[in-house]
Amino acid sequence: GQQLNQSPQSMFIQEGEDVSMNCTSSSIFNTWLWYKQDPGEGPVLLIALYKAGELTSNGRLTAQFGITRKDSFLNISASIPSDVGIYFCATNAGGTSYGKLTFGQGTILTVHP
Amino acid sequence: AAGVIQSPRHLIKEKRETATLKCYPIPRHDTVYWYQQGPGQDPQFLISFYEKMQSDKGSIPDRFSAQQFSDYHSELNMSSLELGDSALYFCASSLASGPLNEQFFGPGTRLTVL
Repeated sequence: GQQLNQSPQSMFIQEGEDVSMNCTSSSIFNTWLWYKQDPGEGPVLLIALYKAGELTSNGRLTAQFGITRKDSFLNISASIPSDVGIYFCATNAGGTSYGKLTFGQGTILTVHP
Repeated sequence: AAGVIQSPRHLIKEKRETATLKCYPIPRHDTVYWYQQGPGQDPQFLISFYEKMQSDKGSIPDRFSAQQFSDYHSELNMSSLELGDSALYFCASSLASGPLNEQFFGPGTRLTVL
């Protein structure tokens, strides 16, 4: 099945710094989604991307759908302590597996005040 | 806004016992998905239902079964529980006619098998 390579695996930053993480794959996708998960809670959808080259913002978050359709990145600007959590990229398998999501390995973000 | 509801939030079972997890999707959502997340892992797709019919199947053990009812809620039934079944189980819902793949996740059920 499809494999999403998400990096970095973890990040330790100071409050106020910008953060960037990305996902790559050898497969082409029609959708890229970014979720945030707090410990013991369900993933929360942050941004959804549907078109190659699309750049979408949600507050301090910005995500882009790569032109090749094989990658995506998520930027967080001016980080704050509540940004702490695990960030996952996800995409659909396409074809007959219309709705099934495949997730990246996650990026653990720690923000020091 | 109403979110996905899962019950119970926590469940402790012994090996070889059975467990039933319930999911109530966001109102008017017609598609339900089940995912399993082990410690330090990403969520893995188990099974999904659209309009009460199974729409896709992932790496779900034969010991597990699921269904979606007429009110769109879904139940995941797990039998002959094994230690390795200990995990977070998430339900997600979406509207098939809505934006592609925008799945909204519930808070999860933490299953511990002793």
